[in-house]
Amino acid sequence: AQSVAQPEDQVNVAEGNPLTVKCTYSVSGNPYLFWYVQYPNRGLQFLLKYITGDNLVKGSYGFEAEFNKSQTSFHLKKPSALVSDSALYFCAVRDISTGGFKTIFGAGTRLFVKA
Amino acid sequence: KAGVTQTPRYLIKTRGQQVTLSCSPISGHRSVSWYQQTPGQGLQFLFEYFSETQRNKGNFPGRFSGRQFSNSRSEMNVSTLELGDSALYLCASRVGLAGDTDTQYFGPGTRLTVL
Repeated sequence: AQSVAQPEDQVNVAEGNPLTVKCTYSVSGNPYLFWYVQYPNRGLQFLLKYITGDNLVKGSYGFEAEFNKSQTSFHLKKPSALVSDSALYFCAVRDISTGGFKTIFGAGTRLFVKA
Repeated sequence: KAGVTQTPRYLIKTRGQQVTLSCSPISGHRSVSWYQQTPGQGLQFLFEYFSETQRNKGNFPGRFSGRQFSNSRSEMNVSTLELGDSALYLCASRVGLAGDTDTQYFGPGTRLTVL
């Protein structure tokens, strides 16, 4: 069965420092992986996705993610955090095992960036 | 291009009542998915519609139903509301013709409170 795990409920980082939000996955077949961000009382905003190709994927707002097949990870990164990056981040994997279309989300990681 | 819109944004109901939520996808998108978001369960997939047909369904009771119209707009209905149905209901749309790799875009959600 497809699954995705975000091992950290919360990540704290100082503004200007690099940030990493971790994600590991379990899929049968090729992984289709996504990162979304959610601000308070808002829906999810798409950041980036990995389908195939380069292991380093660049996305919106300066975020990037590194796909590592051997470690089954897809960690989200940013070289220099901003206070405005404080939000809830979701990693997701596309579940194709049932033949239909379904996205499975991780539990979410809350990022706090301190000024 | 306008994003995904959901109405109403906030809703308060009492136990036993029913509720209908509406979602208008991005123009040109033919697939609409619904998700329930709660603090305890995170984001849970409800169902997906494409060209007026339900293509996939999550593990929710039959009280949760949906439909899609010829203009791709979708509605979700919950009958006999329970306290545990209080949640943020998110709608997401995608083009739907690119297989499993195209991106879902989310609406702002409808916050349902059941008293």
